[in-house]
Amino acid sequence: RKEVEQDPGPFNVPEGATVAFNCTYSNSASQSFFWYRQDCRKEPKLLMSVYSSGNEDGRFTAQLNRASQYISLLIRDSKLSDSATYLCVVNELGSGSARQLTFGSGTQLTVLP
Amino acid sequence: DTEVTQTPKHLVMGMTNKKSLKCEQHMGHRAMYWYKQKAKKPPELMFVYSYEKLSINESVPSRFSPECPNSSLLNLHLHALQPEDSALYLCASSQVSGGPDTQYFGPGTRLTVL
Repeated sequence: RKEVEQDPGPFNVPEGATVAFNCTYSNSASQSFFWYRQDCRKEPKLLMSVYSSGNEDGRFTAQLNRASQYISLLIRDSKLSDSATYLCVVNELGSGSARQLTFGSGTQLTVLP
Repeated sequence: DTEVTQTPKHLVMGMTNKKSLKCEQHMGHRAMYWYKQKAKKPPELMFVYSYEKLSINESVPSRFSPECPNSSLLNLHLHALQPEDSALYLCASSQVSGGPDTQYFGPGTRLTVL
C-alpha cells in the first residue's frame, strides 16, 4: 500500500474551471502536509502548506482532515499557468531530527484555453 | 532568499567515469537532501544529512557517495554508474527543528549515463 495516494489524472479542464485534487496518507504520525507543484522538467516548488483549520492563498484552498488522513487542494478560476503536476507531500520526523518527505505520485493538470 | 543552487545543470557520463554533483544553500538550513527523480514519477529520497552528518541512507548503491563538507554544501560523488541511473537529481534543504520544515529544492542536475 502506498503511503501517500493521489489520483494521477490527468485532469484536463477549461480556463476558469474549478478543480479539486484529493490525497490520502497512511501514517497517522505524519506531522506536516504540503502541496508542491512541479512544471515539466523543473524542480518541485512549494505551493502551500496545509493546516488542520484549512487555509487559502488566493485562488487556492487546502484542507486537512487528520481523522480521515485526507488532504485536498481546490483551485478556483483556473489559469493556463496552473498547468503542472501537483504533488501531495507529507512530512515525518526521521532519524537525527531531520524531516523526511513522502511524496504522492502527483496529479497532472492541464488547463485548456 | 530561498534559493538552492545545483551544478551542473546537465551531465552526460560514461559508465567508467567519475563525476560529482554539487549543491549549495545559504539559508542557514541544517538539513540537506538528495533525491532521484525519473520521468513521470515523484522524487525518491536517497540521502539525508542533518547537522553535516548522514542520518538517512535509503539503501542507495555504493556507486553513489554523498558528502557534506560544511553546512552550506552537499556533494554527490558518482562512480561506475549504470544507464538506469539516468534521472534528474534534486538537492533540497530545510531547517532541522524549531521552525518551518518546508523543503526547498534546487533546479536539479539532469544526468545521462551512456
